[in-house]
Amino acid sequence: QKEVEQDPGPLSVPEGAIVSLNCTYSNSAFQYFMWYRQYSRKGPELLMYTYSSGNKEDGRFTAQVDKSSKYISLFIRDSQPSDSATYLCAMSATRRAGNMLTFGGGTRLMVKP
Amino acid sequence: GAVVSQHPSRVICKSGTSVKIECRSLDFQATTMFWYRQFPKKSLMLMATSNEGSKATYEQGVEKDKFLINHASLTLSTLTVTSAHPEDSSFYICSAILAGGNDEQFFGPGTRLTVL
Repeated sequence: QKEVEQDPGPLSVPEGAIVSLNCTYSNSAFQYFMWYRQYSRKGPELLMYTYSSGNKEDGRFTAQVDKSSKYISLFIRDSQPSDSATYLCAMSATRRAGNMLTFGGGTRLMVKP
Repeated sequence: GAVVSQHPSRVICKSGTSVKIECRSLDFQATTMFWYRQFPKKSLMLMATSNEGSKATYEQGVEKDKFLINHASLTLSTLTVTSAHPEDSSFYICSAILAGGNDEQFFGPGTRLTVL
């Protein structure tokens, strides 16, 4: 079993839809959770960073963490064609998140105009 | 935000040759840089952690003699794939942590390596 599971998609939605992206994990030591967006042939860029269970909102993006269920989500409201990318969840057990990031496999999202 | 560059962006080489990939932090100093490998439609797999002025720490299963890492300055780390084999074909991505920052990793754009 992989430490972090993520549906690879592709997930295709119409413009304006609400998108839900999810990851499950098995390692209860993970305390810090991140979502990255990766465009084709580009490196990942950090979208959201959360620590505690609950919701964190940033513009059209909301990150949700449920540590009891070992389940995290990223919601995108009013999705745009420019949101089309691969979304990677990443997790870490330590505050120094850079040291040991474990990535999910990524979900490819396509937003159609 | 902080910018990390990689050079080259794409390289094609013959089996048996060596290829060097550079990772630079353009507007900040990075005490730590990471090298990842990403297969098509797969996740990023950490290969090694590179600290300026010291030997790199390799993840289990990564051959240090095959993937040579040099972190000669606070703005440059290099990954050399020695005696390249078609199995080494992959997307290599580096990331850097801003010295004195909040430990966020800033990723480079990646290098596509194809070994014929």
